[in-house]
Amino acid sequence: NAGVMQNPRHLVRRRGQEARLRCSPMKGHSHVYWYRQLPEEGLKFMVYLQKENIIDESGMPKERFSAEFPKEGPSILRIQQVVRGDSAAYFCASSPQGIDTEAFFGQGTRLTVV
Amino acid sequence: GNSVTQMEGPVTLSEEAFLTINCTYTATGYPSLFWYVQYPGEGLQLLLKATKADDKGSNKGFEATYRKETTSFHLEKGSVQVSDSAVYFCALSGTGGGNKLTFGTGTQLKVEL
Repeated sequence: NAGVMQNPRHLVRRRGQEARLRCSPMKGHSHVYWYRQLPEEGLKFMVYLQKENIIDESGMPKERFSAEFPKEGPSILRIQQVVRGDSAAYFCASSPQGIDTEAFFGQGTRLTVV
Repeated sequence: GNSVTQMEGPVTLSEEAFLTINCTYTATGYPSLFWYVQYPGEGLQLLLKATKADDKGSNKGFEATYRKETTSFHLEKGSVQVSDSAVYFCALSGTGGGNKLTFGTGTQLKVEL
């Protein structure tokens, strides 16, 4: 059973471009969480999704950021018009249920905006 | 709001030394507490957890006790190995459980021969 797969592992974008980060949850997991780790900071919650639904997006910046988890395919975190402050490691986690079950993390995508 | 504070690293120890990584938290209600570990090049893995006051979580020789009176969840291991070199994250989940976690900044541990 493969773990949570994130790709790409490293992504370089110029200011103003779009960044797309992908997360394939573990088999049988229908709940996905995205976290961001800025330099010298801990992981910060961004968004919680179930298939085709956003459950909690309280940690998402109000502009330029969006997330989806379609019925088929991976979860996508999209950042439009990236700025240097978006440079960070983005981690995805998945769980079979939302409450009181262990979340399994991917290896992360390191985004660098130049 | 919820917050987690853990000691800054890097922490460098000799093999077989005793390890303590301090973690304190601020939260409303009764959160669950976790330690995650990240080995080089890998994702975060759950190391141990405790869901109520005075619970002790343990795994792979590591242990931590949920201390409500001091709002702490310090990680300890009696004898570290080189293979324990990693970054350790303390985290809490809000009351009611779930996987919306609040993390500390992480503490890098280096164990040398």
